[in-house]
Formats: sequence, C-alpha cells, structure tokens
Amino acid sequence: DIVMTQAPVSSPVALGQPASISCRSSQSLVHSDGNTYLFWLQQRPGQPPRLLIYKISNRFSGVPDRFSGSGAGTDFTLKISRVEAEDVGVYYCMQATHIPHTFGQGTKLVIK
Amino acid sequence: VQLVESGGGLVQPGGSLRLSCAASGFTFRTYWMHWVRQTPGKGLVWVSRISPDVSTTTYADSVKGRFTISRDNARNTLYLQMNSLRVEDTAVYFCAGGIATPEGNWGQGTLVTVSS
Repeated sequence: DIVMTQAPVSSPVALGQPASISCRSSQSLVHSDGNTYLFWLQQRPGQPPRLLIYKISNRFSGVPDRFSGSGAGTDFTLKISRVEAEDVGVYYCMQATHIPHTFGQGTKLVIK
Repeated sequence: VQLVESGGGLVQPGGSLRLSCAASGFTFRTYWMHWVRQTPGKGLVWVSRISPDVSTTTYADSVKGRFTISRDNARNTLYLQMNSLRVEDTAVYFCAGGIATPEGNWGQGTLVTVSS
C-alpha cells in the first residue's frame, strides 16, 4: 500500500499568518492516464471531512482562494495564505492513484 | 448538492447491515463512487469504490469477501452491503463521489457500531 506521510503532526499558527502542510507519498502518484490523484480534505471539529483540493491544485466549489495546493510526483503541499479561525481542524491528504486509496495520518491546525 | 448516508446502527458481531447513500443535485450516474470509514477519534480509511457503469468494483483487503458495493443510477443511490461484521468494523461510514472533478462531494456519514 502507498504510505502517505504528513508533516507536521500539529501546526500552531497565529491568525492572519500563513500555514503550510507537507504530504509525501511512498511512490509516485502519477497515474497511467497522466493525472495525479492527490487530494486535500479538511475536517473541522465535530464535522465530516470536506473536500478542499483535487488533482494537486484544483479547488472544489466554495473553497476560499486562500487555500492552494502544489507539488508533483511524491511531494505535495497545502498552503493557507492567511489563517482564519474557521480553518481550525485536521487536514488530510489522500491519494486515489493506486489501490487501495490511502490517507495521510492528518495534521492538526491550531491557533497560536 | 448533497450525499446523504443512512442505514447505520448497532449490530452484533457476525451480523449484517446495508448502508445507503442518496445523491441529489449531483450528476451521480457519471461518477465513480466511494465508501470511506473513520474510527472514532482516528483517521480515514478507504473501503471500496464502484465505477459509473457498475462494471468495476474494488475493495480494501480488510473488507474483501464480506462487503459488497453497488449502485442504482436510476435512483441516484449507492449501497454498501456489510456481512460478517466484526468489532473492528465499528466506524462512521462516509460516501463520496466525483472527487476528481469540481463537483466532488462527501456525505455527512452514518455510524456503524458492532458490539455484543
């Protein structure tokens, strides 16, 4: 199985400051169809996960543009340009290139 | 646009449950659909997926041979038949679909508890 490793495990960030979460996969996530099926999800406390980013860098409908994704191959990053209070929660990366699809262990974003 | 799961509940080890996921405002018939589960307080684990035309189904090793994914495109509904349930299957089960498109959606979840 593909192992997805996120860093840091916990990220204390001051309001209005940027945040960055890393996700590294144990194998390349480039699919035979040329796409890279790397996703980011947000889970606020007590809520179900919410889709943020698909195929590395594309935001889902309704996701603020302060969220951005980048990367290629095995190394990916989620950036929040200016953290707001509503961004508190756990962020997961997920790969859907290989079977089984797998998730990172999560990064907890807290306000400093 | 929403996905709404139902069918969760309390079941004894060895028992069965059938989960449903009803889609609305969503082009259900064109998308791969997935089931993902989350153990209380823990991370996310992918369970199964099904192609738009039903021709392809895939399962995590932990549920292979016990769970069956299916869909009814006329009813915009996804299913997960869970047999021979184990204590370790206890989790919140989410459906998700169209995740590689701008229309991607993720449900609210339904809790399955396997306990005697």
